Amino acid sequence: EVQLVESGGGLVQPGRSLKLSCLASGFTFSNYGMNWIRQAPGKGLEWVASISSSSSYIYYADTVKGRFTISRDNAKNTLYLQMTSLRSEDTALYYCARRGTTTFFDYWGQGVMVTVSS
Amino acid sequence: DIQMTQSPASLSASPEEIVTITCQASQDIGNWLAWYQQKPGKSPQLLIYSATSLADGIPSRFSGSRSGTQYSLKISRLQVEDTGIYYCLQRYSNPWTFGGGTKLELK
Repeated sequence: EVQLVESGGGLVQPGRSLKLSCLASGFTFSNYGMNWIRQAPGKGLEWVASISSSSSYIYYADTVKGRFTISRDNAKNTLYLQMTSLRSEDTALYYCARRGTTTFFDYWGQGVMVTVSS
Repeated sequence: DIQMTQSPASLSASPEEIVTITCQASQDIGNWLAWYQQKPGKSPQLLIYSATSLADGIPSRFSGSRSGTQYSLKISRLQVEDTGIYYCLQRYSNPWTFGGGTKLELK
């Protein structure tokens, strides 16, 4: 069974940093591209960042470019999102999602909440 | 960036009815479109990919179609469990963008 479990969220002050993790199981992690997608409270979905299976290709939304870094450790089956210079508008539920053989996001984690507030 | 304009923003329908949700892309995206369902308090679930293909385990009541740059999700024989918010997603080009969502309620 495919499972994606996010962790590392919490309450953080504006301007500070936070690192999210997503532990994958139930599939060969190193074969799949992975993504972070977020959802502000009561709002819609926003794609944040994408990384290919071997980390060769990385893309970011303009809203986080230069502040967030996506990475992965295939030996640990783990996806990361390093977030710096956090702003109140980064407050959201952050999902990790697998880009499946359909080329779309086919499995999502349960999400981890990040709240940026003083 | 490619804009995905989704409509309606909300709708209410009765069980067994047929409903249609649409997404209008701001430019040609081919078949690089998916539909997701998000039930309250849950993560999104893939329903349709490549505009018309049904994802694994999804009932055949759900179907997708395309006409030019307009994409539609049709739900036939609406069931109570279909309540939720539906989103389209384009992945033709970065940044990948979602529609604003359609909240579906059952009467």
